[in-house]
Amino acid sequence: GQQVMQIPQYQHVQEGEDFTTYCNSSTTLSNIQWYKQRPGGHPVFLIQLVKSGEVKKQKRLTFQFGEAKKNSSLHITATQTTDVGTYFCAGDNYGQNFVFGPGTRLSVLP
Amino acid sequence: KAGVTQTPRYLIKTRGQQVTLSCSPISGHRSVSWYQQTPGQGLQFLFEYFSETQRNKGNFPGRFSGRQFSNSRSEMNVSTLELGDSALYLCASSSSWLGSGNTIYFGEGSWLTVV
Repeated sequence: GQQVMQIPQYQHVQEGEDFTTYCNSSTTLSNIQWYKQRPGGHPVFLIQLVKSGEVKKQKRLTFQFGEAKKNSSLHITATQTTDVGTYFCAGDNYGQNFVFGPGTRLSVLP
Repeated sequence: KAGVTQTPRYLIKTRGQQVTLSCSPISGHRSVSWYQQTPGQGLQFLFEYFSETQRNKGNFPGRFSGRQFSNSRSEMNVSTLELGDSALYLCASSSSWLGSGNTIYFGEGSWLTVV
């Protein structure tokens, strides 16, 4: 079945450093979504990418969808302590399945 | 407007029992999806309902079922509970179906402990 991998599993950065998490699917996706979950909280939808090669920005966050629509990345520029949490990608396989990656847990040291 | 409401927030059940969880979506939202979150398995998609029809389903046994009512409220049922069903069950709602690009809003979740 469809699998979605994410790397790294954990990332510790100093405040002000950049951070990137990568998401890879075993199958081509119709779209990919990104979520953030703060410790003790529920997931919060960040963005959805649909088009091959698509790049979207939200302030310090940059999301990319690969040309083959099998991988994606989330890049945070100049991390802040408010960026702490687990970032999940979720791949939609043309309505057949909806699979979350295991998440990347980000720690930001002040 | 009110967010996604899940009830109950916490519950403890005995192995072999069944449980029903409820989700009230944001007013006007027609899609409700359910997820299971555990430390070991992460966040897993259970199923999605849109306009009272199950639109897609994750890889869970038939003990996990759901339904959606005409007012878009949804219930999830787990029968013959097993210890491994202990988890946080999250519900999310959206104005359109998963994958349409609309923002998805999660509830606070229902913590289920099976003993």
